[in-house]
Amino acid sequence: NAGVTQTPKFRVLKTGQSMTLLCAQDMNHEYMYWYRQDPGMGLRLIHYSVGEGTTAKGEVPDGYNVSRLKKQNFLLGLESAAPSQTSVYFCASSTGTQIVYEQYFGPGTRLTVT
Amino acid sequence: GNSVTQMEGPVTLSEEAFLTINCTYTATGYPSLFWYVQYPGEGLQLLLKATKADDKGSNKGFEATYRKETTSFHLEKGSVQVSDSAVYFCALRTPGGTSYGKLTFGQGTILTVHP
Repeated sequence: NAGVTQTPKFRVLKTGQSMTLLCAQDMNHEYMYWYRQDPGMGLRLIHYSVGEGTTAKGEVPDGYNVSRLKKQNFLLGLESAAPSQTSVYFCASSTGTQIVYEQYFGPGTRLTVT
Repeated sequence: GNSVTQMEGPVTLSEEAFLTINCTYTATGYPSLFWYVQYPGEGLQLLLKATKADDKGSNKGFEATYRKETTSFHLEKGSVQVSDSAVYFCALRTPGGTSYGKLTFGQGTILTVHP
């Protein structure tokens, strides 16, 4: 049982390049989330999904797209990377939205855009 | 809107010292409160939580009490260890039938414990 995994762990992009971050969970969770973590700002929600085939915007969605084609995978895409997207990206998943259901986090992807 | 404010870091302590990390919040309704910990190179893990006023969450020697009157959820540990070195995040969630489980995080506090 691997929990939540993210690939890649590190990536350096040039401005304007594109990339996709992959999140996978093996806990059969319905809900999945993408957060970004910036110094002094905590974690902010980018996009989330409440089930296979559904996605929705979070607090800071601009410049990102997501897809949830399979229940276990949640992809985060950057079509044209900008230096402002330099951050650490965390994926999380949960069984449900009630407080009793904990969000489980992946180890993160450190992205640098030059 | 909801917000969480944590004490400025970093915090540096000697082993066996007493730890307090302050956390205050602003929220509509009656939120649930959480402390998450992030060890070096790892993702966030839930450390403890409290779901209503006066509840005390506890885990691994850490404690925090939900104080509605002061809108606070301060994290404490009586005797820290080097292995407690990590980043600590205070967070809240507001309940609701249509909620998607959104967590609002504080900015995080870096704790370093020296032998």
